[in-house]
Amino acid sequence: GDSVTQMEGPVTLSEEAFLTINCTYTATGYPSLFWYVQYPGEGLQLLLKATKADDKGSNKGFEATYRKETTSFHLEKGSVQVSDSAVYFCALVTSGTYKYIFGTGTRLKVLA
Amino acid sequence: EAQVTQNPRYLITVTGKKLTVTCSQNMNHEYMSWYRQDPGLGLRQIYYSMNVEVTDKGDVPEGYKVSRKEKRNFPLILESPSPNQTSLYFCASSNTGQVLRSSEQYFGPGTRLTVT
Repeated sequence: GDSVTQMEGPVTLSEEAFLTINCTYTATGYPSLFWYVQYPGEGLQLLLKATKADDKGSNKGFEATYRKETTSFHLEKGSVQVSDSAVYFCALVTSGTYKYIFGTGTRLKVLA
Repeated sequence: EAQVTQNPRYLITVTGKKLTVTCSQNMNHEYMSWYRQDPGLGLRQIYYSMNVEVTDKGDVPEGYKVSRKEKRNFPLILESPSPNQTSLYFCASSNTGQVLRSSEQYFGPGTRLTVT
């Protein structure tokens, strides 16, 4: 079945470091891909999205490119801030059934 | 303010006592969904609804029921809760149809349920 695999956390970085959180997926058809962020004690918020191959989603300095050939959607940011500390979820929505599949989440901790 | 509300936010109950968690959205969204979040398992979809009177199972529907009688409300019902349903539950909504595949889901604040 469809699935999303994220790198295990936690990821601990110093402020201004480069961030990569890996995400790969398995899906039939052509899913849409998303990154959501969850701050402590809150619900999830959309960070960025991509709906077709080679699309690049970007928001708040974060970027991710939909790579169909490697079935990946890795999240990157050039310079993280303490305020980026949160849990990041990679997700897809299937093209046929409209079911959402989320990864297990990656906790990011940024130290000042 | 556009939002998804859930009630209650916290609930402690006993095995077998029926409960309902309410979810309401004020954005006129067709699509609504319930998730549970567990450590190490991420978010798993329980049920979703494409519109009024249309519901479908997600990945973990066992032990749960839903109904969609009105567009704005999507309650989650646990007829006979068990300890393995102790979890953090989120309701979400979004636009649907072809727009769904590019639409943002708006999440509620979560309901922390403990079943003893």
